[in-house]
Amino acid sequence: EVQLVESGGGLIQPGRSLRLACAASGFTFDDYSMHWVRQAPGKGLEWVSGLSWNGGVIAYADSVQGRFIISRDNAKNSLFLQMNSLRVGDMAFYFCVKGAGTNLIGEGFHFDNWGQGTLVTVSS
Amino acid sequence: NFMLTQPPSVSGSPGETITISCTRRSGSIDSKFLQWYRQRPGSSPTTVIFEHYHRPSGVPDRFSGSIDRQSNSASLTISGLRTEDEGDYYCQSYDDNNRGVFGGGTKVTVL
Repeated sequence: EVQLVESGGGLIQPGRSLRLACAASGFTFDDYSMHWVRQAPGKGLEWVSGLSWNGGVIAYADSVQGRFIISRDNAKNSLFLQMNSLRVGDMAFYFCVKGAGTNLIGEGFHFDNWGQGTLVTVSS
Repeated sequence: NFMLTQPPSVSGSPGETITISCTRRSGSIDSKFLQWYRQRPGSSPTTVIFEHYHRPSGVPDRFSGSIDRQSNSASLTISGLRTEDEGDYYCQSYDDNNRGVFGGGTKVTVL
């Protein structure tokens, strides 16, 4: 059974940094693209960032480009999101999401498994 | 980048058929795979349709996906509506710069 468990969320002041982690199990981690998707309370889904199986292709939403860094450690079956210069508008549940394919294309953008999410609250 | 536009809400009575549209404002709707997800309150989204038409195992055949090239839109049709079908439905695709795109979501209510 695929399991994606996020950690690292919490209350943080604007301008500060936070690092999210996702522990993956139940599948061959380095065979799949991985993504972060966020959802502000009561709002819709927003894709944040994704990377290919080996991290060779990485993409970010315009709203986080230059502030967030996605990475993965295939040896440890882990996905990360380094969030810098946090803003009130970044406040959301952050979901770790598995792609159904290897790369950031085609089935790699079918989000076939989701974690339960970790809440990031940005407030002074 | 491009936008995917969905109606905010759709409702129907048990047993009825409803359709949710997802319109792409620029570029061709079928140029990139499109998925549909359902999110029930307090839960993470799950796939109901992937790659325009395909249903994951476990999703009943009451759910179907289609593409209309004339209106440049995708549709999710739910037939034989049940109370368990309630939730928020999102269409999703990606752009030429490898960035994901979600529609704004449609709240489905069973009357």
